[in-house]
Amino acid sequence: RKEVEQDPGPFNVPEGATVAFNCTYSNSASQSFFWYRQDCRKEPKLLMSVYSSGNEDGRFTAQLNRASQYISLLIRDSKLSDSATYLCVVNLVTDKLIFGTGTRLQVFP
Amino acid sequence: NAGVTQTPKFQVLKTGQSMTLQCAQDMNHEYMSWYRQDPGMGLRLIHYSVGAGITDQGEVPNGYNVSRSTTEDFPLRLLSAAPSQTSVYFCASSYGGDSNEKLFFGSGTQLSVL
Repeated sequence: RKEVEQDPGPFNVPEGATVAFNCTYSNSASQSFFWYRQDCRKEPKLLMSVYSSGNEDGRFTAQLNRASQYISLLIRDSKLSDSATYLCVVNLVTDKLIFGTGTRLQVFP
Repeated sequence: NAGVTQTPKFQVLKTGQSMTLQCAQDMNHEYMSWYRQDPGMGLRLIHYSVGAGITDQGEVPNGYNVSRSTTEDFPLRLLSAAPSQTSVYFCASSYGGDSNEKLFFGSGTQLSVL
């Protein structure tokens, strides 16, 4: 089993739609969780950290489910500019951040 | 405000050649790391450093060396390039001495080994 797993997609959604991605991780001792966004041929950039109680940043909501060992990202009112690859990132042991393979989102008009 | 600077942006090598990918950051970050990104594989950690003089291996360290003589610089050396090392390489840094802080990435180096 991979340490961090994501559905590669692509998720094709119309503008204004709500879309959700999940990411599962294998190590129950993981402490830190993040979502990064990567545009085509660009470097990844932090979208948001994921906190135990769940957190929201505008149209984006991140949640953590420790019992089932997954994190999720919900995007409401999708914009064309949201089209990108979303990377799930988990720190499995101290000092090592492991990236998922990413979920590609394509928002169409 | 340079952030994380990687050079070169593109490089073509022949099998067996050696080279060094440069990475420098001007944010006084303690943590620095190197990743490679391949289609369908995501970013994989090669080596990382939690401070000057300290380095450790990531998921895929074979064929690569690193050193951290200063806080600012974290070069990645390919000792004898192989076609399997064709990839996009990203350097990243963060403020803290561990991996729990926001990572800042360089713009990447596209490496082809023929």
